[in-house]
Amino acid sequence: GIQVEQSPPDLILQEGANSTLRCNFSDSVNNLQWFHQNPWGQLINLFYIPSGTKQNGRLSATTVATERYSLLYISSSQTTDSGVYFCAVGLGNDMRFGAGTRLTVKP
Amino acid sequence: ETGVTQTPRHLVMGMTNKKSLKCEQHLGHNAMYWYKQSAKKPLELMFVYNFKEQTENNSVPSRFSPECPNSSHLFLHLHTLQPEDSALYLCASSQRGVQYFGPGTRLTVT
Repeated sequence: GIQVEQSPPDLILQEGANSTLRCNFSDSVNNLQWFHQNPWGQLINLFYIPSGTKQNGRLSATTVATERYSLLYISSSQTTDSGVYFCAVGLGNDMRFGAGTRLTVKP
Repeated sequence: ETGVTQTPRHLVMGMTNKKSLKCEQHLGHNAMYWYKQSAKKPLELMFVYNFKEQTENNSVPSRFSPECPNSSHLFLHLHTLQPEDSALYLCASSQRGVQYFGPGTRLTVT
């Protein structure tokens, strides 16, 4: 099956700093999503981005499908950005999740 | 986020009990999913239903039994579970591949 690797596993930032999270995957996919899981367990869909670049406020994402990676950028981080960020990839409805990046933003 | 709801939110059950988890989506989506999230492990896809038909079953033990009576409701029936089945069980729905998750049921098997 598809292998998904996320890096770094843990990231600690000071409020206001920028960060880049990476997702590498082992096979061609037609579905790639980024999620944020808050401390209460709720997963929020951030981006559906099988290719290209998208931006939503302080967050943006880029997927280079031919090179099998995706990047999530967080600018001017806030304490509410803390949580775990997951990349999920797959073909159609069969999605595989990475182990996540745990982000802690300190005030 | 109230598009996908799950009940109960917390469940404690003994190994000989039978219980059911319920998921309901109000988004008009045609696909629904069950995932398992154990401590320190990635989310594991358990079951996928498209238009009420099961299309994926990722080698899940038979003590987990899904049911999808219509495109808005999904159940996970549990019986004779093991302590290692304790986890957060997440339901999701999707349209054109974009998945939306419910808040999860935190299950503890004693």
